[in-house]
Amino acid sequence: AQRVTQVQPTGSSQWGEEVTLDCSYETSEYFYRIFWYRQLFSGEMVFLIYQPSFDTQNQRSGRYSVVFQKSFKSISLVISASQPEDSGTYFCALSELISNYQLIWGSGTKLIIKP
Amino acid sequence: EAAVTQSPRNKVAVTGGKVTLSCNQTNNHNNMYWYRQDTGHGLRLIHYSYGAGSTEKGDIPDGYKASRPSQENFSLILELATPSQTSVYFCASGGGLGYNYAEQFFGPGTRLTVL
Repeated sequence: AQRVTQVQPTGSSQWGEEVTLDCSYETSEYFYRIFWYRQLFSGEMVFLIYQPSFDTQNQRSGRYSVVFQKSFKSISLVISASQPEDSGTYFCALSELISNYQLIWGSGTKLIIKP
Repeated sequence: EAAVTQSPRNKVAVTGGKVTLSCNQTNNHNNMYWYRQDTGHGLRLIHYSYGAGSTEKGDIPDGYKASRPSQENFSLILELATPSQTSVYFCASGGGLGYNYAEQFFGPGTRLTVL
């Protein structure tokens, strides 16, 4: 069974719109982190943001923020004012203290931002 | 600038041949990881290491060996390559100090084709 699920294999949006990408995960641990990475069309993996489980505040970094719904084991990545260069595949990954923070990856959401 | 590099970037191998993929990191991270990425999947962990001389099996280790001769270098070895090992392979380093311990930094990937 998949422990990290991204149900949207693809998505698209118009330039300037806000985009929300969803991720759900399974864990029984108290200490964990959820990471978001973007994979460029070149293959390069770029770290975007992460949310610690113990932090009730939604994390924000530039145009990226998350909506963390801990009780539902759900987290969404929000991209504000989307731009064509935001196109790529977005992965969320679960990282648990008990496994020394190894990353367990979702299958990704391919996002296209149209000009 | 801290970086993770991989060589070769592209490799074509024959079935039954030996393939070695190399990874070098200048992040001075203790942890290093080898993943493979196939269409429809996120990254899947093959082997990882917590430091020079150590290697551990990940989720899909069958058919692969790993070697960590130094802090900087981590190799993935396919002793008898098979077509099912055709994939894109990513190396990553992690285990930085303090709060960012869990973040992983990725190499550019190696595209391996086994004919």
